[in-house]
Amino acid sequence: DQQVKQNSPSLSVQEGRISILNCDYTNSMFDYFLWYKKYPAEGPTFLISISSIKDKNEDGRFTVFLNKSAKHLSLHIVPSQPGDSAVYFCAASARVRGYQKVTFGTGTKLQVIP
Amino acid sequence: DTGVSQNPRHKITKRGQNVTFRCDPISEHNRLYWYRQTLGQGPEFLTYFQNEAQLEKSRLLSDRFSAERPKGSFSTLEIQRTEQGDSAMYLCASSLSSSSYEQYFGPGTRLTVT
Repeated sequence: DQQVKQNSPSLSVQEGRISILNCDYTNSMFDYFLWYKKYPAEGPTFLISISSIKDKNEDGRFTVFLNKSAKHLSLHIVPSQPGDSAVYFCAASARVRGYQKVTFGTGTKLQVIP
Repeated sequence: DTGVSQNPRHKITKRGQNVTFRCDPISEHNRLYWYRQTLGQGPEFLTYFQNEAQLEKSRLLSDRFSAERPKGSFSTLEIQRTEQGDSAMYLCASSLSSSSYEQYFGPGTRLTVT
């Protein structure tokens, strides 16, 4: 049962354009949503998060949008840079027995073409 | 500021052998997590420690797997009688209690069972 889904395994974008990565979830108990970036041979790096009570969070070139009614979130990167090329994991967190259990999607590989 | 470190980075072992991995979290983080990641998948939760107490274990963690965090600092993950299906990237992450959904990952240990 995949509670967090990233339906696009890969995405190619020209440098300077917008990258939009999408994520869907099924569990209504998730209260935080996160995006992680992963380069080859490294662990995932925390990028940005959003609380379930908000619909937008922005940090520099990265903006995450949350649509709770559709159980959908997206990450926008503007402008995209070649250094953004990586695998992006969507994740969602729910409070379980006193801690925040994080569930990850399968990832989207972003390639930014110079 | 040192991040999460893991040793070894790579381990090749023969089926049936025991292996042990080590994780050193960020020093002020009292929560520590182990995940497993296989090709094409996101990280899957294995187990969680708050200080030295192991508070949650996934069904993925069979009897052959054991994890410890003896003094609430570093942690070890041992796999006994390894099987080829254990081949994966084993990731460790740590977090503060106050924002435990925001987890910081180490580079991982890649295990290959031949």
